[in-house]
Formats: sequence, C-alpha cells, structure tokens
Amino acid sequence: EADIYQTPRYLVIGTGKKITLECSQTMGHDKMYWYQQDPGMELHLIHYSYGVNSTEKGDLSSESTVSRIRTEHFPLTLESARPSHTSQYLCASSAVGSSYEQYFGPGTRLTVT
Amino acid sequence: AQTVTQSQPEMSVQEAETVTLSCTYDTSESDYYLFWYKQPPSRQMILVIRQEAYKQQNATENRFSVNFQKAAKSFSLKISDSQLGDAAMYFCAYRSLGGATNKLIFGTGTLLAVQP
Repeated sequence: EADIYQTPRYLVIGTGKKITLECSQTMGHDKMYWYQQDPGMELHLIHYSYGVNSTEKGDLSSESTVSRIRTEHFPLTLESARPSHTSQYLCASSAVGSSYEQYFGPGTRLTVT
Repeated sequence: AQTVTQSQPEMSVQEAETVTLSCTYDTSESDYYLFWYKQPPSRQMILVIRQEAYKQQNATENRFSVNFQKAAKSFSLKISDSQLGDAAMYFCAYRSLGGATNKLIFGTGTLLAVQP
C-alpha cells in the first residue's frame, strides 16, 4: 500500500467558503500531482510540482491553487468554493525518472452546496 | 497531443473466467510508457501493470497480462481466472518517456463487474 494520504476523505461545504485539501506522502518523492475526477470520468491533471517551491498548472484549468513548502506536503486550496468545484480530487506522487510509477492517495470527494 | 481511448464503458465477467479490456491511444512519439490502473470502490488507484513501448515482450503480472500492439497503437488488458476482488474501474494511461512532468494521460475507464 502506498504511503500517500489525503484528508478529509469527504467534505460537504457551502458556497463561498475557503477550503484546503491536504495531501502528504512519506516516500520522499520529489514529484507530486493533483488530479480532478468527475464521477465515471477520466482523471485530469490540474496541478503538479517538481519539488519544493516548484508548482505548475496542469492541463485542466482550475481555480484552485497549490503550494509546496515541504517535500512531503502538497495542499490544494480553493479560496471561494462554488458548486462547479464539486468533484473528486486525487493526489499522487512519484520519484524522479520516467520509469517510476505514480502512487495515488485515496482521494477527497468534495461537494459544494 | 496524446489521447487514450477506452471504448468499453462497462464489462462483466463470471468468476474464474477471462476478460479482456480494450485500450487504444494516439501519439507521434516512438518511446513512451503505458499503464493499467485499477480503482476499486474504495477509490484508491493502484497500478496493475506497466509496459515500456520499446519492449516487444508483453508485460505480465500474475493473472494480469497485456497485448501490446505498437503499430496498431493498441494496449489491451487480459485478466485470467477473474476474482470478485477484481471488480473495479480500470483506467488505461499513457506517459511520455521524455519531459520532466511524468504526467499521465488517462482514458475514460472501464467498469468491470465480476459475477459470482
């Protein structure tokens, strides 16, 4: 089982609230990723990081922001949640090198009412 | 840009039988990786099997094997002796060999049901 954790697992929140989804890994991986997954759909990359103080936007435009102050921690923040942000958010990490697989966290299912 | 297509939204198999999940992809690159990931109802995605495009030999992991046809850009997953625990959503994914991102491009998934 991969050592990558996400909290909370489920979150129901009202419109306009600020939220932070937590992601931590204990494998010392430099690369971390955030994917968004709507029910029954594929995953889309929304953010990634090469290492500390390095973050980039992914293929799918997202109003969320991320930070990478420590290697093991890659939180995602929504300043003002909206119903359109309702989705599943998956965090992943991988070691440097193209042959290394990505390990996924259990995901956070976010519902904005 | 690379794309991954899974044409079977849902599949069903009897326990102990064999099932094959289809995946095709489009790329202009000659070297890349292909993956099958499994996402059980608990939602944690795990790697099932990986194939390097430069290797002609099909990858095998216990009951899971792939049929990699590079010229046809096809990458199917065969599950032998299906078990109830194999029921999950299966995603085919592509990753370029070059570049620093290592990002994965996913298909839309195939939901596999295993009937007892």
